[in-house]
This record gives sequence, C-alpha cells and structure tokens, in this order.
Amino acid sequence: GAGVSQSPSNKVTEKGKDVELRCDPISGHTALYWYRQSLGQGLEFLIYFQGNSAPDKSGLPSDRFSAERTGGSVSTLTIQRTQQEDSAVYLCASRASGVLSYNEQFFGPGTRLTVL
Amino acid sequence: KQEVTQIPAALSVPEGENLVLNCSFTDSAIYNLQWFRQDPGKGLTSLLLIQSSQREQTSGRLNASLDKSSGRSTLYIAASQPGDSATYLCAVPASGTYKYIFGTGTRLKVLA
Repeated sequence: GAGVSQSPSNKVTEKGKDVELRCDPISGHTALYWYRQSLGQGLEFLIYFQGNSAPDKSGLPSDRFSAERTGGSVSTLTIQRTQQEDSAVYLCASRASGVLSYNEQFFGPGTRLTVL
Repeated sequence: KQEVTQIPAALSVPEGENLVLNCSFTDSAIYNLQWFRQDPGKGLTSLLLIQSSQREQTSGRLNASLDKSSGRSTLYIAASQPGDSATYLCAVPASGTYKYIFGTGTRLKVLA
C-alpha cells in the first residue's frame, strides 16, 4: 500500500481481556516504531524494530505489553490483561532504513483503544 | 536525558499572518529533527526533516530551521490559512539511540 496502515481503527475491550493491534508498514521500510498517545499527552515511545529484531524495548510500560514483527514487515502489539490506564491511541510508524540521518518516519492513522 | 519542549502550547492567529513555532531540546547530539502535524483524531503527517548538518529546510509555505548548538528549532509558517489549523509536533532522537522523543506540541488555530 501507499502508506502505513493499522487495524483495527477502534477497539473497545473489557478490563482483563487481551488485545492485539496490527501495523502494516510501508513496503520496504526496515525500521518500525510503536508509540502511545494518551488523552492530552504527548507521544510515548514503546518499542523499535529493525527488521525482525527489537533492539530497543525500553518504552514498554510493563510485562503485559509485548510486540513482534515477522518477515520484516507486519508487526503486532499485544496487551495482556488490559487495564483502564491502557486506554490510548496506539500509533505505528515506519522508516526506510537503519541509517538514522536521512530517513523520516511515516505514521499510520492509529488504533484507539478503550478499556472499560 | 533528552527532553523536548514546545512553546507556545497553543496559538490562535487570524488568517494571513506569518507565525513561528518553537522547539527546544536539551541534548544537542542529534542526528536529525522532524516536524509533524496532527489533525484531531488522526495520525501524524511528516512536514519536514532537517539533518544535523543542515540549518534549514523548506517545503512550500513552511520553513524549518535548526540550531544544534543552542538546542533549538523553529517552524515558520507563511501566510497562514484555516487549513493549517492542527497540532504541530517536533521530534528528535534520544542520544545515541533510534528512539524518538516528541514535544507535547503547539495547538494552532487559524481564524478565517
């Protein structure tokens, strides 16, 4: 596709359930990022992938959060035993290569997660 | 630790005005700086990327400057239009990492 896509666009779940959020990066982009944006807050880095490996997971808020990337393409962010404080917009971005200087990030439209 | 600050937090101007948005960062050892806009309920749209070796970048009515030594970047919007109304965010990498730190943004409203 032409841009980064994310699914679902909206997800409402009950506290304690697990959720999976999906990101399809721009074809050929090797770097992939997940961010979280809570209401009225800035963007919070969660995890960075280069290819299928995640050299930086430092932003994952707890061990309930995990992410994987397969085939150097699609990524899934999984939140187990969701809590109300997990409610936020989860944004995915991709970038063309690991060379940091030259390549801008492109963002998807986000998944709005609401935990009741 | 890299910290990013954007001033002002909100700005309201009449259509046609030229305006400047500010972004400050605490660690000047950055590879690049990127400006984005975010419309309500939407993802981020990339506006400009400035490499660490550059002093400015231009795209249409937008001009972004970078002064690494003072830890500052400005986004200049010429002849503002109501369609420019959005939140503008700047982002820089944390030192020696691929992790981007975002400012909290400037919410711009251009009045017709």
